[in-house]
Amino acid sequence: DAGVIQSPRHEVTEMGQEVTLRCKPISGHNSLFWYRQTMMRGLELLIYFNNNVPIDDSGMPEDRFSAKMPNASFSTLKIQPSEPRDSAVYFCASSSGGTAYGYTFGSGTRLTVV
Amino acid sequence: SQKIEQNSEALNIQEGKTATLTCNYTNYSPAYLQWYRQDPGRGPVFLLLIRENEKEKRKERLKVTFDTTLKQSLFHITASQPADSATYLCALGRTGGYQKVTFGTGTKLQVIP
Repeated sequence: DAGVIQSPRHEVTEMGQEVTLRCKPISGHNSLFWYRQTMMRGLELLIYFNNNVPIDDSGMPEDRFSAKMPNASFSTLKIQPSEPRDSAVYFCASSSGGTAYGYTFGSGTRLTVV
Repeated sequence: SQKIEQNSEALNIQEGKTATLTCNYTNYSPAYLQWYRQDPGRGPVFLLLIRENEKEKRKERLKVTFDTTLKQSLFHITASQPADSATYLCALGRTGGYQKVTFGTGTKLQVIP
């Protein structure tokens, strides 16, 4: 199994541009999470999907952020328009047992907005 | 508000010794606690999960304890090796319907040869 696959690994974009981050969870995992990690705030949960349905999006910072999971093998996190304060590492994680089991994280996307 | 505290300062330890990392929490009643390892430029890797009714759990050189009275978990690495150098994160969660898993900010461990 290739694990959780995220793309791109690095993204540098100008303020105001649209950014799309992609994630392929582990096959058979029915829970998918998007996290953001910064030095100041650590790992913050942005949104949680279960069986492709968004269950908790209370961590999404504002309307500029949106996430979709059109099928069990693909999810996207979109930021439009991007701002410098969005610069962070964005992780996707998946799990087979909801929140009571360990998560498998991808390698992350390092986003820099200039 | 809920708070999870891990030593923000790095922990330096001599190779072969036991490393002990601490995770304290307040205003929280977790049903379980997870520990993860994170290397630079990589995502966290799940190591162990311990439930509130378990006092201790072991996996190879790793041992985790969970004291709900002290509101604390200790993470031990015995016979530490330079390859154990990484940042270690604890994460707390509740069961009974969906509840968020909340991560601590992590403690950086450096094992010195």
